[in-house]
Amino acid sequence: GAGVSQSPSNKVTEKGKDVELRCDPISGHTALYWYRQSLGQGLEFLIYFQGNSAPDKSGLPSDRFSAERTGGSVSTLTIQRTQQEDSAVYLCASSPEIALYEQYFGPGTRLTVT
Amino acid sequence: QQQVKQSPQSLIVQKGGISIINCAYENTAFDYFPWYQQFPGKGPALLIAIRPDVSEKKEGRFTISFNKSAKQFSLHIMDSQPGDSATYFCAARGGADGLTFGKGTHLIIQP
Repeated sequence: GAGVSQSPSNKVTEKGKDVELRCDPISGHTALYWYRQSLGQGLEFLIYFQGNSAPDKSGLPSDRFSAERTGGSVSTLTIQRTQQEDSAVYLCASSPEIALYEQYFGPGTRLTVT
Repeated sequence: QQQVKQSPQSLIVQKGGISIINCAYENTAFDYFPWYQQFPGKGPALLIAIRPDVSEKKEGRFTISFNKSAKQFSLHIMDSQPGDSATYFCAARGGADGLTFGKGTHLIIQP
């Protein structure tokens, strides 16, 4: 079956612009997660959704970052007034309700802020 | 504060050898320990995972060894193959939120 999909695969933007990153989870998966992977680093957890709600937003790096999920499916991560330090690969993962610990990742969106 | 420490940062193993990657954690609330494999340009793929009520789990050539008292766990890849060359991440989770990842090990299997 189809895995987690993310779009765009690559995004180059100018400093100060806003960007939206999209994640389509595996069909039927109730939990959705966003991570950031900087060059040569591990994955940094940003936020997760159970259904449409995000119980804890403290992992978001700054108030320029926001995320939403609608209809229990697609999620959008928005970065306002992008900075060069926001350059990274943004990964999305989803989990089925019966195995919430098993996270399946998408291919990521590579964001470059110039 | 790095809650999951992974070593080595890079590893070169001859084809047919055993690759060993180690991780140590600090948070005793962690109760799920997965390993992910990542190829360049791809997202991480779940490889194998263990819970702290067992000391070892084996799936094919991949084995996780878990030492709860030492708060350490490791991945062993038996009969390592060139196709195993990738970056491996250990991770840990406790509660209903995201995984805490190690910084990764870049594994190269030489033919």
